[in-house]
Amino acid sequence: DQQVKQNSPSLSVQEGRISILNCDYTNSMFDYFLWYKKYPAEGPTFLISISSIKDKNEDGRFTVFLNKSAKHLSLHIVPSQPGDSAVYFCAARSGGSNYKLTFGKGTLLTVNP
Amino acid sequence: DAMVIQNPRYQVTQFGKPVTLSCSQTLNHNVMYWYQQKSSQAPKLLFHYYDKDFNNEADTPDNFQSRRPNTSFCFLDIRSPGLGDAAMYLCATSRALTSTDTQYFGPGTRLTVL
Repeated sequence: DQQVKQNSPSLSVQEGRISILNCDYTNSMFDYFLWYKKYPAEGPTFLISISSIKDKNEDGRFTVFLNKSAKHLSLHIVPSQPGDSAVYFCAARSGGSNYKLTFGKGTLLTVNP
Repeated sequence: DAMVIQNPRYQVTQFGKPVTLSCSQTLNHNVMYWYQQKSSQAPKLLFHYYDKDFNNEADTPDNFQSRRPNTSFCFLDIRSPGLGDAAMYLCATSRALTSTDTQYFGPGTRLTVL
């Protein structure tokens, strides 16, 4: 049973435009959410996170939005650059001393020049 | 300035032949994790060490074992690899076991079972 779902296996956007990557979750105990980025032949690297007490967190070109009632989060990249081309994983935790990350399957983003 | 190092990057083994994957870290983190990621699937946590304390996930097969001889190194042992164990194995570290502690991943070892 997949508790974190990334329903789009891939996404292609033009350089300079907005990329929107989506993630849905089913476990209402999740209260901390993360996005990881993975280039080929490298491990996932932490990108941005959001606590459930917020609905938005911004870091430069990257913004994560959280809609708790819909159990949905999204990552916006504006403007998209070719170097952003990678697999993006959504992950979630259930808070407190819970270390365990539950990952989605990832979305491959391709930014075309 | 590699922080989490995994060796080898690619490992080929035969069905039933024991294999060991290695992970080392230069971050001096207390926690080390092993994840399994099969093709087009989400990474799945197998187990973790907090210092010397080992914690196995409930659904991790007995075929998978781990050792952590010191803070820097952690090993994943697969006692009798089956074809279904072919996957990318990711090692990660974190400073502590709290929900806000970032996990840092190594590049992974891709295991092929013939």
